Amino acid sequence: AQKVTQAQTEISVVEKEDVTLDCVYETRDTTYYLFWYKQPPSGELVFLIRRNSFDEQNEISGRYSWNFQKSTSSFNFTITASQVVDSAVYFCALRGIQGAQKLVFGQGTRLTINP
Amino acid sequence: NAGVMQNPRHLVRRRGQEARLRCSPVKGHSHVYWYRQLPEEGLKFMVYLQKENIIDESGMPKERFSAEFPKEGPSILRIQQVVRGDSAAYFCASSPTASGPYEQYFGPGTRLTVT
Repeated sequence: AQKVTQAQTEISVVEKEDVTLDCVYETRDTTYYLFWYKQPPSGELVFLIRRNSFDEQNEISGRYSWNFQKSTSSFNFTITASQVVDSAVYFCALRGIQGAQKLVFGQGTRLTINP
Repeated sequence: NAGVMQNPRHLVRRRGQEARLRCSPVKGHSHVYWYRQLPEEGLKFMVYLQKENIIDESGMPKERFSAEFPKEGPSILRIQQVVRGDSAAYFCASSPTASGPYEQYFGPGTRLTVT
């Protein structure tokens, strides 16, 4: 069975602080894909990143960076110099290669950036 | 380029009525997925369809729920005889393929409220 755990239910920081959202996953597939999505207060889901299991390079996109560690089954997301507009619920998700094409989502982390 | 369209955005139904949720995928995408998000929870997979075929309905409740993706027109998620527990946000996603690395692009969701 596949599972994604986001242990942090809620995080609240002051603007300009760095913040890391944790994501731990379980899968028996040898090939799989990991994703982060953002759900702002307006409710839509915004795709942020896809990472393939065979590519462990970390990625940086502006103030966002992702740390993929296969050895610990983690795919953490860091926002540097956070801004109020980063306030949202962030979901980590997993899709395996075997059979179903469904995304398995974590419970989400509600991030609040205070001015 | 139009993204995934869902309508209505908000739907209110009384217990026992039927709810019909529509999803138009990104132009050229032939793979559609439906997910349900209960209040304060992550998204849960319901069903995966290709044109005219249900490929995986493992997440769909056995009774009252059905989905279709006809050759022409949008995908429809139908909930018969709604109950209060059906109140949730229903998201549709689409993709151009269902193998290898790809993203699922989500629509804005339909928020169903059962009174």
